[in-house]
Amino acid sequence: DGGITQSPKYLFRKEGQNVTLSCEQNLNHDAMYWYRQDPGQGLRLIYYSQIVNDFQKGDIAEGYSVSREKKESFPLTVTSAQKNPTAFYLCASSRGGTGELFFGEGSRLTVL
Amino acid sequence: AQRVTQPEKLLSVFKGAPVELKCNYSYSGSPELFWYVQYSRQRLQLLLRHISRESIKGFTADLNKGETSFHLKKPFAQEEDSAMYYCALRGYTGFQKLVFGTGTRLLVSP
Repeated sequence: DGGITQSPKYLFRKEGQNVTLSCEQNLNHDAMYWYRQDPGQGLRLIYYSQIVNDFQKGDIAEGYSVSREKKESFPLTVTSAQKNPTAFYLCASSRGGTGELFFGEGSRLTVL
Repeated sequence: AQRVTQPEKLLSVFKGAPVELKCNYSYSGSPELFWYVQYSRQRLQLLLRHISRESIKGFTADLNKGETSFHLKKPFAQEEDSAMYYCALRGYTGFQKLVFGTGTRLLVSP
């Protein structure tokens, strides 16, 4: 079954802890993305990667880090430097730079 | 800078009524515009793109470069159209990230 798999779906974290969200795709897409979805603010781009071993900051990269060591994987680490990490995080992939993104089901992070 | 504006957070209509979800954009070059939809408990997915000039689930959207708009329209709303709708924009040149609007929740009542 092809698609984007995000894990975990729900995650709780104490302040000061780093947490890593997993994103795996088996669509053979080159490009992958991380968006943050907040009520009333839509989707904001955190990081994106056009190809393996390369990634660029999006509009709200501060307090986040990523890696792209494998084509199918694009994990996102929410660090303790992120001031307001409680949010819904969406991972997506696309064939090259097309505008057709395929999204995962999302991960909801709550900081206690 | 790329910007997408969706002025309505919520649009509530009755079944059978016409629907228009507004989207305005700012972009210095030639944009490519999209509408994405997120139904309850489903993934965000592409609904349509302006270059396809197609009707999906009865929805159409025309790019108006003069008014910098890409409004989504449907002549007769159905209850199953209730969802969150996002307008998105990217440029044509090279690899371009997709920029989303803030979204409009469409509620179609019986």
